[in-house]
Parts: sequence; structure tokens; C-alpha cells
Amino acid sequence: GEDVEQSLFLSVREGDSSVINCTYTDSSSTYLYWYKQEPGAGLQLLTYIFSNMDMKQDQRLTVLLNKKDKHLSLRIADTQTGDSAIYFCAEGSGYALNFGKGTSLLVTP
Amino acid sequence: GAGVSQSPSNKVTEKGKDVELRCDPISGHTALYWYRQSLGQGLEFLIYFQGNSAPDKSGLPSDRFSAERTGGSVSTLTIQRTQQEDSAVYLCASSLLGQGNSPLHFGNGTRLTVT
Repeated sequence: GEDVEQSLFLSVREGDSSVINCTYTDSSSTYLYWYKQEPGAGLQLLTYIFSNMDMKQDQRLTVLLNKKDKHLSLRIADTQTGDSAIYFCAEGSGYALNFGKGTSLLVTP
Repeated sequence: GAGVSQSPSNKVTEKGKDVELRCDPISGHTALYWYRQSLGQGLEFLIYFQGNSAPDKSGLPSDRFSAERTGGSVSTLTIQRTQQEDSAVYLCASSLLGQGNSPLHFGNGTRLTVT
């Protein structure tokens, strides 16, 4: 399948902004997703963006899409300890989403 | 309404035994997916069901793995003659339409440990 790449770890201080980056290779991707996984739980849909958009904002979350570079980012403003989790980027054009390996976000007091 | 429900939440089995994992999707969702999540890995697509269509089994890693979906609702993933490398979290998801613009909703998964 097509590749979705993410950095594996990110550590930030509480109150700072977090930026999680993702690159993908499938130029036919129509939707790009961010999911959050807390320990022992399944994946929770955070937000998604259609490929003809370049930005989407939802409260503390901002998604930026650079379709030319196939680069997606998730910015979390005022990061809290409860944001500590694994964040997965996923791309979809057909029916099965293609996921990255996830970025573990650690928020320290 | 309830989300995607999976059972059991944890399963420990001996190598060589068969296991069955169950998934109850969100009511009204036509599409159902099974993914596998191994330690430190992303999500590996296993199988996809859409309505009454033939399932896409292209992600099943071996013929020891099979799945069925009865009545367009509940699904069972069966692993025969389990091996230690089958140890992983098995995640089920459903979506309303089964298209790229229809988000997947995940259950909490079944953690399978093969000893």
C-alpha cells in the first residue's frame, strides 16, 4: 500500500503548542484524518480535512494540508496532560484507510 | 447510541488453539473493518465488509485467518492454530458508507496474547 510517515515521539511542556507532522504518498487521497489513541482504548476520530482544503480549525486543533508536498500537520494549542496519547495520521481515497505508525505525544507538567 | 463494541477485551490463549473475536458495529453502519495493531506498529488492514458485497480479504496474513459478518451486522474474526506472532490488538471499526469521506469509528479492541 501507499506510505504514511510520522515521527514516532514528541514531548512538549504543558501549555505549549504541539505540532505533529505527517507525510503521505498517495496523490489520489481525498480525505486525511487524525485519530487519537489513549492507553487501552481504540482510535478516536479527532478531525479530518478534505483534500481541496488547506486548513481546518476546530477549537484547540488546527489541521494544515500542503497537497503539493503531501504534508499534513496537526497543531494542538495550549497542550494539556490529557492530550498525552498516540496520534495517528490516515489517508483515504477508497474504502480502507492507510494509517501511519502513530506519534506518541508526551505532555510534561 | 452505542459505539462499536468488541469482545472479549482481552484473550490469552495457548499456541495452537483457535480463537474467535467478536465485533458489534454501530447500528446502521454498512461498512465493517478489521485491523491489527502490533506493538510499535501502525494499523494493518485485515478485511473489509460492505453491505452484501463480497468482502475484501486482501489483508488477511494467512489462511489461518477468516472472518464473517452475519446479517450485515455482527462480525467474527477467527484465528485457527494461533501462533505467537498473532499476539496483537485486533481493532474493529465501522463506517456509515465505507467510502473515503465516511470516517471510521473504532471499538476498544481485543488484546490477544498467544503463549
